[in-house]
Amino acid sequence: DQQVKQNSPSLSVQEGRISILNCDYTNSMFDYFLWYKKYPAEGPTFLISISSIKDKNEDGRFTVFLNKSAKHLSLHIVPSQPGDSAVYFCAATIQGAQKLVFGQGTRLTINP
Amino acid sequence: GAGVSQSPRYKVAKRGQDVALRCDPISGHVSLFWYQQALGQGPEFLTYFQNEAQLDKSGLPSDRFFAERPEGSVSTLKIQRTQQEDSAVYLCASSPIRGSSLRYGYTFGSGTRLTVV
Repeated sequence: DQQVKQNSPSLSVQEGRISILNCDYTNSMFDYFLWYKKYPAEGPTFLISISSIKDKNEDGRFTVFLNKSAKHLSLHIVPSQPGDSAVYFCAATIQGAQKLVFGQGTRLTINP
Repeated sequence: GAGVSQSPRYKVAKRGQDVALRCDPISGHVSLFWYQQALGQGPEFLTYFQNEAQLDKSGLPSDRFFAERPEGSVSTLKIQRTQQEDSAVYLCASSPIRGSSLRYGYTFGSGTRLTVV
C-alpha cells in the first residue's frame, strides 16, 4: 500500500527553466510534507516542508504547493540549475508518529 | 564529527551470515532513525530511538532484524541469517529535536550498502 506516490520516475528540464516535481498521497492523517534531495552515494538532504494547514511555502528558489482536496503536492524549482540534478523524494508524517513515509523518488536532470 | 557517520559503507554477506551496521549520530542528537532503501525505491522506516529507548520498531521486517542504542548515542542494526531480500542501502538519521517535529527534517548518513550473495 503506497501511501505516498511519485508517478514520474524521471524529469528532464533545461537550465534556467522551471522544474515541477509532483507527489500524490492517500492518507488524510498526514500533517507535514517534506521534500528531500539525494545525490548518488549520499544520504537524502532536507529541502523544504509544508504543514497540512498551509497551501504554500517558499524558500529561495524552492516553493512547495499543497492541494489538500486533491491530496497532491508539488515542488517548484526556479530557475533550475545544473546542481539541482538529483533524485527528489516526497515524504509525509502522521501526527504523533515519528516516521517519515517516502515516495519512490523522481530523478531530475537539468540540461545545460 | 559534523555529520551522521555510518560504517561500513559497503558490506557483502553470504546468505545466512549475521551482519552488524553501525551509526554514529551527530553529537547530542536525541532522536535516531533507521531506514531501508531498496534499489529504485524510497527509504522505508525501520525503527526509531529517543535517547536509548526504542519507541517504535514497527518497520522491522522480521525478528531477524534487531536494533539497539544502549547509551543513547551510537546505534547498531543487526541482521541475523541474512537473506537475498535484505540487500539494500540502510540509512541512519538523527535529529536534535524531541517529539513530533519532523517538519524540520533530520540529518541522514550516507548509508551502508548491504549485498547478500
